[in-house]
Amino acid sequence: KNQVEQSPQSLIILEGKNCTLQCNYTVSPFSNLRWYKQDTGRGPVSLTIMTFSENTKSNGRYTATLDADTKQSSLHITASQLSDSASYICVVSASGYLVGGGADGLTFGKGTHLIIQP
Amino acid sequence: GAGVSQSPRYKVAKRGQDVALRCDPISGHVSLFWYQQALGQGPEFLTYFQNEAQLDKSGLPSDRFFAERPEGSVSTLKIQRTQQEDSAVYLCASSLEVGGSGELFFGEGSRLTVL
Repeated sequence: KNQVEQSPQSLIILEGKNCTLQCNYTVSPFSNLRWYKQDTGRGPVSLTIMTFSENTKSNGRYTATLDADTKQSSLHITASQLSDSASYICVVSASGYLVGGGADGLTFGKGTHLIIQP
Repeated sequence: GAGVSQSPRYKVAKRGQDVALRCDPISGHVSLFWYQQALGQGPEFLTYFQNEAQLDKSGLPSDRFFAERPEGSVSTLKIQRTQQEDSAVYLCASSLEVGGSGELFFGEGSRLTVL
């Protein structure tokens, strides 16, 4: 069964500090890995999408890395701001599920709840 | 519209009532997904449409849950005889690509509370 595990479950850091969130997956065959930011009471918003051949991708202060060999990804946030307080969800897409795209086509992690304190 | 629109944003229902949740995807998006998200959890897949065809409904938790997308655009998720365990946020997402390969654009969700 495809699985995505995220750590830590929750994290509290001071404004201005950096942090790194982890995502391990056992999805096969791998197609791409996405990181989403979900503010409280809002829908998830895409931060990055990485395919097998990409090992790093940045979006402003967010940098995602991917190690397809060890099946690990990280999301690094630089110089955190209060607006970064949110849940960060790792989602892995499996290839071969183009028709259904259902439960096995996209596997969601439970998310890391990040709180930035002033 | 510019994004995925869901309504109502909030719904309170008494146990046993039927509810209908609406999703307006981004115009031209082929794929539409429904997810259920419990508090503090990641979204859980419910069902998938490719245009008007419901190709995957394996995530629907019971036969009380029904979804449709009759003209390949707007979709409705209906829950009959609601139970307390149905309380959750219901997220709709659409994508230009077929299946789960492309980028997903999520709506703000419909928060259902069953009393």
